[in-house]
Amino acid sequence: DAGVIQSPRHEVTEMGQEVTLRCKPISGHDYLFWYRQTMMRGLELLIYFNNNVPIDDSGMPEDRFSAKMPNASFSTLKIQPSEPRDSAVYFCASSLPGQDLTGELFFGEGSRLTVL
Amino acid sequence: GQNIDQPTEMTATEGAIVQINCTYQTSGFNGLFWYQQHAGEAPTFLSYNVLDGLEEKGRFSSFLSRSKGYSYLLLKELQMKDSASYLCAVTDSNYQLIWGAGTKLIIKP
Repeated sequence: DAGVIQSPRHEVTEMGQEVTLRCKPISGHDYLFWYRQTMMRGLELLIYFNNNVPIDDSGMPEDRFSAKMPNASFSTLKIQPSEPRDSAVYFCASSLPGQDLTGELFFGEGSRLTVL
Repeated sequence: GQNIDQPTEMTATEGAIVQINCTYQTSGFNGLFWYQQHAGEAPTFLSYNVLDGLEEKGRFSSFLSRSKGYSYLLLKELQMKDSASYLCAVTDSNYQLIWGAGTKLIIKP
């Protein structure tokens, strides 16, 4: 299996622009997670889906952030408008079916976002 | 509140043994994970403990004491490639995964 695939790997944008990050989970994994990692705050869970349904979005910083999972093989995280404080590495992760939240997470390589 | 504590940084010598400690205070407990993260890369799973005791997997072992809210990751026969951050994470009673800030391990020749 190819693993969790994220794009873009790097994104540099200007404040106020819209940013869309994409994720393809491992086939057959029914949980998908979006994380953000910074030096100051470490790994933060933003939102997670189970069978394409958003379960907990309490970690989404504010209304500027939104996430969708239109089907089992694709998810997006959108920031509109972006701000410099959104600069971070955004990871997507998926886990095996039936593992609920005690299962091993398989992370993508991350999308490094820089907002100028 | 929920809290996970681990040392910020540790240094060890190639070929030696190092123990990375993790203490946690969470609302309930449903398991503890250790992940390894090399600089600029994604975290990768190392171990999972849900019962007290030691789990051994090659050069790496992980120990858990639920009564003490304590775990450690033991790395033996250290190699230069073990230089990385090691993240402790606990699943609480609501199955929320609480992450520690990570321990940066530096291996010296």
